[in-house]
Amino acid sequence: ILNVEQSPQSLHVQEGDSTNFTCSFPSSNFYALHWYRWETAKSPEALFVMTLNGDEKKKGRISATLNTKEGYSYLYIKGSQPEDSATYLCAFISGTSYGKLTFGQGTILTVHP
Amino acid sequence: SQTIHQWPATLVQPVGSPLSLECTVEGTSNPNLYWYRQAAGRGLQLLFYSVGIGQISSEVPQNLSASRPQDRQFILSSKKLLLSDSGFYLCAWSVRRVDNTGELFFGEGSRLTVL
Repeated sequence: ILNVEQSPQSLHVQEGDSTNFTCSFPSSNFYALHWYRWETAKSPEALFVMTLNGDEKKKGRISATLNTKEGYSYLYIKGSQPEDSATYLCAFISGTSYGKLTFGQGTILTVHP
Repeated sequence: SQTIHQWPATLVQPVGSPLSLECTVEGTSNPNLYWYRQAAGRGLQLLFYSVGIGQISSEVPQNLSASRPQDRQFILSSKKLLLSDSGFYLCAWSVRRVDNTGELFFGEGSRLTVL
């Protein structure tokens, strides 16, 4: 069983704050890591697909880094806005999972105006 | 453009009754298809995975089953529901790629309550 952990479980920040959270995954047999954003009453949507150690991806105010050697990825949100409130999920693909994703439990972010 | 539809959106069923959730994808061919479940307070758990018609991989032993009668249709079924089957079910698809790193595109979800 693959262990994918996200921390913190939930986070409350004020509008304008920058924040970050962590996804930990097995450091052996890494293949890919995904980040998804899941807003209330909507479907999860992909933010990033990361495959290389040292990868840094950015989409607007959101960015992610990847360290496959130590088995973690960080998601950063700069200048949080209320519309960033959502559950952020990471998902790990191992080299033997044939493309199947194992999800973490998610970090619930609430941005207060 | 590609779209994915899943229904019904909400379902309340008695214990022991059958279940059928359906998912269809439009605008693409040969997708990988998935059924995930989110139980209360838990992350997304992969239930079934399909790379083609009639090809189903079951990830978790349970009283659920899945079928793929057509290339872009994925059905989740049960003959007799248990209380523990309650949860939020998500269908998803991904582009079939050689490197198997394609992102998932999710349906709207189905909330099942078993009483």
